[in-house]
Amino acid sequence: EAAVTQSPRNKVTVTGGNVTLSCRQTNSHNYMYWYRQDTGHGLRLIHYSYGAGNLQIGDVPDGYKATRTTQEDFFLLLELASPSQTSLYFCASSDGQGRGQNTLYFGAGTRLSVL
Amino acid sequence: GDSVIQMQGQVTLSENDFLFINCTYSTTGYPTLFWYVQYSGEGPQLLLQVTTANNKGSSRGFEATYDKGTTSFHLQKTSVQEIDSAVYYCAMRDYNQGKLIFGQGTKLSIKP
Repeated sequence: EAAVTQSPRNKVTVTGGNVTLSCRQTNSHNYMYWYRQDTGHGLRLIHYSYGAGNLQIGDVPDGYKATRTTQEDFFLLLELASPSQTSLYFCASSDGQGRGQNTLYFGAGTRLSVL
Repeated sequence: GDSVIQMQGQVTLSENDFLFINCTYSTTGYPTLFWYVQYSGEGPQLLLQVTTANNKGSSRGFEATYDKGTTSFHLQKTSVQEIDSAVYYCAMRDYNQGKLIFGQGTKLSIKP
């Protein structure tokens, strides 16, 4: 079973604050993803990566940066947090073999509140 | 662009009722279709997937058929139980893309 660990689990910051959300996966997966989950919108893709140093833009990237430092670690950066970024954030990974068919393994989520 | 639509935001049933959750998709590609389930306090996890059009996927008593003609992938279960209470997400992944697109989610509540 793939292991995806997110930290912190909860975070409160103020408008304009600088926040980094961390994600580590330990199953040597190539692909990693950041999603946000909001009522009425479901899961929306922010950024994703298919390897260290690679970054792909998702569907709702505005206000977010991301960096994949190693195969295991993927970070989401909010440099000027706004209340609209209050959300539940999920990291996920998949192995990228047999493209189009892979299971995503999700972490437990980070709840972010921007006051 | 590609999209996945779930119109039912919430469904409330009693134990042993029949479950039907709508999902339709739109793409010009060759998608694999998924249902993910999210229990309270957890991240989503794969429930079932179907790669080939007109095939059926099944898991834990749930079924979904990939209907290319109607571009649908509805989720069904004959007799729901309280443990099935969760949020269910329909999702699509195009063969040539690395990203997964989710629907809006359907919250299933089961009355004991």
